[in-house]
Amino acid sequence: DAGITQSPRHKVTETGTPVTLRCHQTENHRYMYWYRQDPGHGLRLIHYSYGVKDTDKGEVSDGYSVSRSKTEDFLLTLESATSSQTSVYFCAISEPAIPSSYNSPLHFGNGTRLTVT
Amino acid sequence: SQELEQSPQSLIVQEGKNLTINCTSSKTLYGLYWYKQKYGEGLIFLMMLQKGGEEKSHEKITAKLDEKKQQSSLHITASQPSHAGIYLCGADGRGTASKLTFGTGTRLQVTL
Repeated sequence: DAGITQSPRHKVTETGTPVTLRCHQTENHRYMYWYRQDPGHGLRLIHYSYGVKDTDKGEVSDGYSVSRSKTEDFLLTLESATSSQTSVYFCAISEPAIPSSYNSPLHFGNGTRLTVT
Repeated sequence: SQELEQSPQSLIVQEGKNLTINCTSSKTLYGLYWYKQKYGEGLIFLMMLQKGGEEKSHEKITAKLDEKKQQSSLHITASQPSHAGIYLCGADGRGTASKLTFGTGTRLQVTL
């Protein structure tokens, strides 16, 4: 699992409550990502980070915010959870590409299963 | 945006048989990544293909990239129960970070 820890592993919450998922890495990789995985949609990018305090939106960022105050931690927050945010959330990390090469592969954590009732 | 279509969506093969999974992109492929996922777990990186015509092998799994067809194939020789899982392809959207777009996956079952 490339030194990536996601917490919690499972969470059940009610609609309208705030939820924060944590991703912690011990690899000192510069890039970090949050994906969600849903049947029929595969993995979709929510937000990603280029470095400390440097983040950007992915394709399904509405309703989510992120923060990265330290290299090793990347937090995903659902400000007011909705049932459509029931999903499995994966954190991933990677390193910058070597010049004249392609980007390095992503390495994934084991996921957080979130249920919003 | 780039879309990846995987075929077949699911596959059941008998142990010892060969199989092929395809991944077709709607746009030019700059980098193609294959992952395997077991139920309840994260994705495990298998291989990365970067150039047209490139072919890589790891144990009994071989992946090829056909740049002209915007397609990659994953071939497993003499399948084993340990090969069971979901195989996903991911394509690189370029840029400074690996913001991969993924296919919806191929579920593989290997029967005894």
